[in-house]
Amino acid sequence: SSELTQDPVVSVALGQTVKITCRGDSIRNYYASWYQQKPGQAPLLLIYGNNIRPSEIPDRFSASRSGDSASLTITGAQAEDAADYYCHSRVNSGNFLVFGGGTKLTVL
Amino acid sequence: QVQVVESGGGLVKPGGSLRLSCAASGFRFSDYYMTWIRQAPGKGLEWIGYISIDSFHTNYAYSLRGRVSISGDNAKNSVFLQINSLTVEDTAVYYCARYTWRDNWFDPWGQGTQVIVSS
Repeated sequence: SSELTQDPVVSVALGQTVKITCRGDSIRNYYASWYQQKPGQAPLLLIYGNNIRPSEIPDRFSASRSGDSASLTITGAQAEDAADYYCHSRVNSGNFLVFGGGTKLTVL
Repeated sequence: QVQVVESGGGLVKPGGSLRLSCAASGFRFSDYYMTWIRQAPGKGLEWIGYISIDSFHTNYAYSLRGRVSISGDNAKNSVFLQINSLTVEDTAVYYCARYTWRDNWFDPWGQGTQVIVSS
């Protein structure tokens, strides 16, 4: 079982805002990073640290943290945002790495 | 260009072993950790382990400890994953990725190498 919990499936209407959540005790101590994975492709780093995006990632993606919960928000979801999304953090005093179980995002 | 490229996957019989390679380029290899992650068909991402190229410190997921070993060659900017006693549950795409402890991120990821364990 994963030490980071994500909702398995989330849907959003085209152009609307959606939040994908990742919960776990480790989030209190370590920032989560977020990854997008499309079928047949490797995961892609979306956001890390205190809401930092690599330069090639659109600014409609943002992240936040509160308590034991980290969230990835997509503001104005596009059809191409349909994908699997994974969160990552560190556990066991920070020596082990773990991923959430993943969230499949459907854009309606 | 910062990139990592995996190789060495293929079809292996149960009980066999496999050694996967990951060649890195475009960045100072010793400044980062290198990690291996796998993804079984239709499943999520599973962290396997990491190595510090600077100190050769390694750590592995409990579920795989004892069957996997990660090593590195600083001169060749490469890391390797040895997996022993393979079972059908080890069938997956195996990814190599650069990791930084400062901000807890994996980037870039390789394209992955497919391992199929079947008799």
